[in-house]
Amino acid sequence: EVQLVESGGGLVQPGGSLRLSCAASGFTFNNYEMNWVRQAPGKGLEWVSYIGSGGSPIYYPDSVRGRFTISRDNAKNSLYLQMNSLRAEDTAVYYCARRYSGYADYWGQGTLVTVSS
Amino acid sequence: QLVLTQSPSASASLGASVKLTCTLSSGHRSYAIAWHQQQPEKGPRYLMKVNNDGSHNKGDGIPDRFSGSTSGAERYLTISSLQSEDEADYYCQTWGTGLWVFGGGTKLTVL
Repeated sequence: EVQLVESGGGLVQPGGSLRLSCAASGFTFNNYEMNWVRQAPGKGLEWVSYIGSGGSPIYYPDSVRGRFTISRDNAKNSLYLQMNSLRAEDTAVYYCARRYSGYADYWGQGTLVTVSS
Repeated sequence: QLVLTQSPSASASLGASVKLTCTLSSGHRSYAIAWHQQQPEKGPRYLMKVNNDGSHNKGDGIPDRFSGSTSGAERYLTISSLQSEDEADYYCQTWGTGLWVFGGGTKLTVL
């Protein structure tokens, strides 16, 4: 059974940093591209980052480029999102998702990040 | 620019059918999309991929009540024999090189 379990969310002050993790199991992790997607309270889904199966290429939308860094450790079956210079508008539930033939075929349950003073 | 448009809300009665629409932006009508369901307080769940020829590929364990279809730039999700647990937000998604685009979502109410 495919499982994606996020962790690392919490309350952080504006300008602060946080590192999210996603533990993958039930599939051969290093065969799949991975993504982070977020959902602000009461809002829709927003793509946050992409990483290729071997660690490259990497893509970000303009909203997080230069502040967020996606990475992975295939030996540990883990995906990461380092978030720096956090803003109030980054407050959201963050999901990791597996990419298959372009689309998301499995999602995690999410971890909540709250940016507030 | 690659954009997906969905109606914000839809409603239908228990046991009835409903058809949700996702419209691809001009110049992108050949794109495939994926449908995802998000029940209250849960993460999204992949339902199916809908291709531009109307064929679709469902995710694991998705009931036969869920089906997909296509007409031009529109991609549809039809849910038949509506059940209370179908009350959820439904998002369409498409993709390019490394990027994902989501529609704004449709909130389905089962009456």
